[in-house]
Amino acid sequence: NAGVMQNPRHLVRRRGQEARLRCSPMKGHSHVYWYRQLPEEGLKFMVYLQKENIIDESGMPKERFSAEFPKEGPSILRIQQVVRGDSAAYFCASSQDRGNEKLFFGSGTQLSVL
Amino acid sequence: KNQVEQSPQSLIILEGKNCTLQCNYTVSPFSNLRWYKQDTGRGPVSLTIMTFSENTKSNGRYTATLDADTKQSSLHITASQLSDSASYICVVTRKSSGTYKYIFGTGTRLKVLA
Repeated sequence: NAGVMQNPRHLVRRRGQEARLRCSPMKGHSHVYWYRQLPEEGLKFMVYLQKENIIDESGMPKERFSAEFPKEGPSILRIQQVVRGDSAAYFCASSQDRGNEKLFFGSGTQLSVL
Repeated sequence: KNQVEQSPQSLIILEGKNCTLQCNYTVSPFSNLRWYKQDTGRGPVSLTIMTFSENTKSNGRYTATLDADTKQSSLHITASQLSDSASYICVVTRKSSGTYKYIFGTGTRLKVLA
């Protein structure tokens, strides 16, 4: 049973380009969470999704950022027109259910904006 | 306000020594508290979970305590090893009106020196 898979591991984009980060949750998990982490800082919640639904996007910037978790396929975090301040590590986590379930994290995608 | 605060922010110890990391929270209603270990460049991994009725729980050289009255938790690492060098993150689950939210601390960065 593979863990949470994120790709790419590293992503380099120039300012103004689009970044697409993918996350495949653990098998059987239907809850996905995205977090952002700047160097030497803690994880910041961005968005929580269940299959085909956004449940909580209170941590996601209103512009340029979007997330989806389709019925089939991985969850996608999409950043349009990237700026240097978007450079960070983006972690995805999944759980089988929400509540007392522990989160299983992927290894993250390091986004660098030139 | 629902917050999780960890101390110290960073810690350096010699291999073989013990250390204790602190987590204070103001999250309410409380559901559970987890300690995660995050190695550099990797996603966090769960170490222990503490529920309201539990005072102490061990996982190898890691021992977590919880005082639900004072809303404090600690993570004690015994006989530290170089591989313990990582960030340790305290996460408190808040349950309200049937929904759950994970509140993350900013972590304690531990460095174990030979």
